Amino acid sequence: ETGVTQSPTHLIKTRGQQVTLRCSSQSGHNTVSWYQQALGQGPQFIFQYYREEENGRGNFPPRFSGLQFPNYSSELNVNALELDDSALYLCASSLVTGVFYEQYFGPGTRLTVT
Amino acid sequence: RKEVEQDPGPFNVPEGATVAFNCTYSNSASQSFFWYRQDCRKEPKLLMSVYSSGNEDGRFTAQLNRASQYISLLIRDSKLSDSATYLCADTGRRALTFGSGTRLQVQP
Repeated sequence: ETGVTQSPTHLIKTRGQQVTLRCSSQSGHNTVSWYQQALGQGPQFIFQYYREEENGRGNFPPRFSGLQFPNYSSELNVNALELDDSALYLCASSLVTGVFYEQYFGPGTRLTVT
Repeated sequence: RKEVEQDPGPFNVPEGATVAFNCTYSNSASQSFFWYRQDCRKEPKLLMSVYSSGNEDGRFTAQLNRASQYISLLIRDSKLSDSATYLCADTGRRALTFGSGTRLQVQP
């Protein structure tokens, strides 16, 4: 197991609502990245947090926002949910010490928007 | 053109067979590459990292061809338990850029 945990496991929301997903990174890791994976696709990068600051962002609108806390855990917030937001949301933790680093995924949160 | 492309498959192979997947990438500045294995409705699990020309771990061998901008994954002596989707990824801009995955089905 990677030691990366996410909550909740599953979530059902209605269009227009807001949702918060949580991630605890692996002990010793200082970076958390969030990904969205739609059915049949590879994970798509949403954003990355390093030392509590956003450290890179993919092609997602501002209604996707996040936080990283001093203990390196993280939240992903999505406002004004749309049907297309239904997906598996994955967080990955890593220890950034140089150019090369490996990311380890948590089990994901499966979000369904109706 | 997608940044990372994979043949979606499925690759249907008998137990004991050798199978290879290719993955092409468009970002020539990418320095590190990864193969992940993903089982149905589960998270991706890191299988192999490729930083230079290649890497080998038991039955699995990954190779990098920078001139042609592709990485490959070779699985020897396939097991039923190898059935999964294999995702390749590069790290062009801090985060992982994934392909859509190649599905492998190993049959008895």
